[in-house]
Amino acid sequence: DADVTQTPRNRITKTGKRIMLECSQTKGHDRMYWYRQDPGLGLRLIYYSFDVKDINKGEISDGYSVSRQAQAKFSLSLESAIPNQTALYFCATSEAATGVGRYGYTFGSGTRLTVV
Amino acid sequence: SQQGEEDPQALSIQEGENATMNCSYKTSINNLQWYRQNSGRGLVHLILIRSNEREKHSGRLRVTLDTSKKSSSLLITASRAADTASYFCATDGGNFGNEKLTFGTGTRL
Repeated sequence: DADVTQTPRNRITKTGKRIMLECSQTKGHDRMYWYRQDPGLGLRLIYYSFDVKDINKGEISDGYSVSRQAQAKFSLSLESAIPNQTALYFCATSEAATGVGRYGYTFGSGTRLTVV
Repeated sequence: SQQGEEDPQALSIQEGENATMNCSYKTSINNLQWYRQNSGRGLVHLILIRSNEREKHSGRLRVTLDTSKKSSSLLITASRAADTASYFCATDGGNFGNEKLTFGTGTRL
């Protein structure tokens, strides 16, 4: 199994629908992140969590919410999806005590979301 | 806003040639990292260089860091078809203990 698993891999949803993207990890990392990737814009941070009780907004959190259900699980929700939220979404994890440590972030394979 | 900016945006070379891509950033850092992304897939961590290091090697990869110029370069020697991917630099904003990586827009090789 992959270290960081994202579900679903692909999703098409209609405008106005609520949708949840899920992320689970087996790395034992405390820190988890949600990024979105748009062509030409690189990756932008949506939300991050440094432990189960810690949730923080990133640079583009409007229209999104998250839930850290356990150390291993971090879900991203779009409360009312809109077409400009069509993007590739990535979950990532990292070690805590030394920040990104020696190994950087571990990324999931991504969820390709299309809002029509 | 993006902390890192890669240059060039796209690079086309022949197998066996060296590929060099550059990254510039704006604020102080504790470390800078390079990642590879195969088409539409998740990013894979390649190498991390700390702010007190000037050069680092890993296999066919060579990374340099110039903190005075706020820039880094990634050199891939003797490139292969399998190196075809997008490459991103990422910086941590220099806030030790509260690091969140900020990614550039990438170089497509």
